[in-house]
Amino acid sequence: DGGITQSPKYLFRKEGQNVTLSCEQNLNHDAMYWYRQDPGQGLRLIYYSQIVNDFQKGDIAEGYSVSREKKESFPLTVTSAQKNPTAFYLCASSIDIGTGRGTDTQYFGPGTRLTVL
Amino acid sequence: AQSVSQHNHHVILSEAASLELGCNYSYGGTVNLFWYVQYPGQHLQLLLKYFSGDPLVKGIKGFEAEFIKSKFSFNLRKPSVQWSDTAEYFCAVNAGVNTGFQKLVFGTGTRLLVSP
Repeated sequence: DGGITQSPKYLFRKEGQNVTLSCEQNLNHDAMYWYRQDPGQGLRLIYYSQIVNDFQKGDIAEGYSVSREKKESFPLTVTSAQKNPTAFYLCASSIDIGTGRGTDTQYFGPGTRLTVL
Repeated sequence: AQSVSQHNHHVILSEAASLELGCNYSYGGTVNLFWYVQYPGQHLQLLLKYFSGDPLVKGIKGFEAEFIKSKFSFNLRKPSVQWSDTAEYFCAVNAGVNTGFQKLVFGTGTRLLVSP
């Protein structure tokens, strides 16, 4: 089965702790993305990666970090610097972003709900 | 900065009623437009998309949307909703056309509840 997996589905952490969310895709997609979804705010882009070993900040990158050491993996670390980390986090991927057409559909994982206590 | 507005945050309909969800965007250049749907407990998935050509696009499950460039709108429609259409619907705009990167800007979503 091709797709995007995120683990765990639910995650609880104490305030002040860093936590890493996993995202894996076996779609052979070049680009991967992390979004944060909050009620009434839609999805906001945290980080994206167009290719292995490269990534860029999105609209709300403060307090987050990522790595892209492998094409299929794009983990997100929520650091203690993130002031309001409790949220639903979605990972997505898309194929062939280098076409210049910007027309590639993004496919989403099931999400991880992070609660910081 | 680009923005996407979805006017209705919550919509409640009876089965067989017609649906229209509004979406307006603020970007003046070439855009690609998307509607995504998130059914309860499921992944966010693509409903339909507009890239070019016929401004009336058809998607899955009987949904369609019309791109009206002069109004910066991409409203979603369905002639007769079913209980299974209960979900949250997101409009999204790709403001990165011709830049080689697809940065999607999402609206805040519309929660649709269809009563049987």
